[in-house]
Amino acid sequence: GAGVSQTPSNKVTEKGKYVELRCDPISGHTALYWYRQSLGQGPEFLIYFQGTGAADDSGLPNDRFFAVRPEGSVSTLKIQRTERGDSAVYLCASSLIGGRNTGELFFGEGSRLTVL
Amino acid sequence: KNEVEQSPQNLTAQEGEFITINCSYSVGISALHWLQQHPGGGIVSLFMLSSGKKKHGRLIATINIQEKHSSLHITASHPRDSAVYICAVPGAQKLVFGQGTRLTINP
Repeated sequence: GAGVSQTPSNKVTEKGKYVELRCDPISGHTALYWYRQSLGQGPEFLIYFQGTGAADDSGLPNDRFFAVRPEGSVSTLKIQRTERGDSAVYLCASSLIGGRNTGELFFGEGSRLTVL
Repeated sequence: KNEVEQSPQNLTAQEGEFITINCSYSVGISALHWLQQHPGGGIVSLFMLSSGKKKHGRLIATINIQEKHSSLHITASHPRDSAVYICAVPGAQKLVFGQGTRLTINP
């Protein structure tokens, strides 16, 4: 596709359920970032992929959060045993290159997660 | 001290005013990003710059690498410029975001 695509755009779930959020980056972009944004706050870093590997997962808040990018393109963010505090907009961004020489960033529209 | 600090956090101005948003950072960088997020909307990249100045329409971004400071200027501001403006710098691995500046332009 032309841009970064995230699905679902909205997800409402109950506390304790499992959720998967998908990010389809721009074709050829090796760097992929996951962030989450709570209302009125700036984006909070979760994890950064360079190719298939997680180059930096220091932002994942706890072991309920996990992300994969098995073929170096699509990434899935997985949240187990969801809690109300997980409610946020989960943002995905990609760039042609990453690290200190990150190129222009392209963001998806985000997936809004609401945990009841 | 945060690695990236923006000022002001909130800014309200009248249509037509010249707007300046500032970003200071404490890490060495190769480039700095200015991003825009409209209320309820996604994030859009405005500029990526590593030196000097860039201009796009009514938006101008400048950076001083020695002083570790960047500014985003909006000339002839318009209500549609109302948004959160975020600067971001690449760390060793991840991007580090400023807390954002919420700009409101009143007609």
